[in-house]
Amino acid sequence: QKEVEQNSGPLSVPEGAIASLNCTYSDRGSQSFFWYRQYSGKSPELIMSIYSNGDKEDGRFTAQLNKASQYVSLLIRDSQPSDSATYLCASEAGNQFYFGTGTSLTVIP
Amino acid sequence: DAGITQSPRHKVTETGTPVTLRCHQTENHRYMYWYRQDPGHGLRLIHYSYGVKDTDKGEVSDGYSVSRSKTEDFLLTLESATSSQTSVYFCAISDLRKSTDTQYFGPGTRLTVL
Repeated sequence: QKEVEQNSGPLSVPEGAIASLNCTYSDRGSQSFFWYRQYSGKSPELIMSIYSNGDKEDGRFTAQLNKASQYVSLLIRDSQPSDSATYLCASEAGNQFYFGTGTSLTVIP
Repeated sequence: DAGITQSPRHKVTETGTPVTLRCHQTENHRYMYWYRQDPGHGLRLIHYSYGVKDTDKGEVSDGYSVSRSKTEDFLLTLESATSSQTSVYFCAISDLRKSTDTQYFGPGTRLTVL
């Protein structure tokens, strides 16, 4: 079973703080990892992808990958109320994508 | 939504009736997927297609069938709907020609089986 595990939360942070979201995966054959944001009643939207060990930054978002520990994380700096959503971690292996159950984030103004 | 539409967007039906959901893409992507999303379970793969007439089962395929007669259309059929199939259904597409390709999701279909 190719599992992706996330803390379901909910996670609450004050506006302007750093939100840290974590994810572990079980399949060492997974090469590609993704973070999706999903607003209530909407479809998942890709916000970050990462393929090699280390950090990848895009604006206020930083994804971190550690393949030895089978760990993926997402940092959101200067959190805004508009960042309040559920964040899904996903891995890709064998033409299929495997999703965690999501972490609910609330940014408090 | 990356050129993906789903129809209908909402449907209420009764137990035992057949239901077909349609996914249409304009991106000419090879791979198409059907997921269901339920509280506490996240996104679960029902079936996927890797080309015209080429399909395979996912994690929760029982009670569902699919067909893909054209690159742009992927149909999901519930032969005899049950209340346990009440869910939000998402279609997704992917090219996967490069290792860096990812999935893009349609807007979803909310299905209620009474």
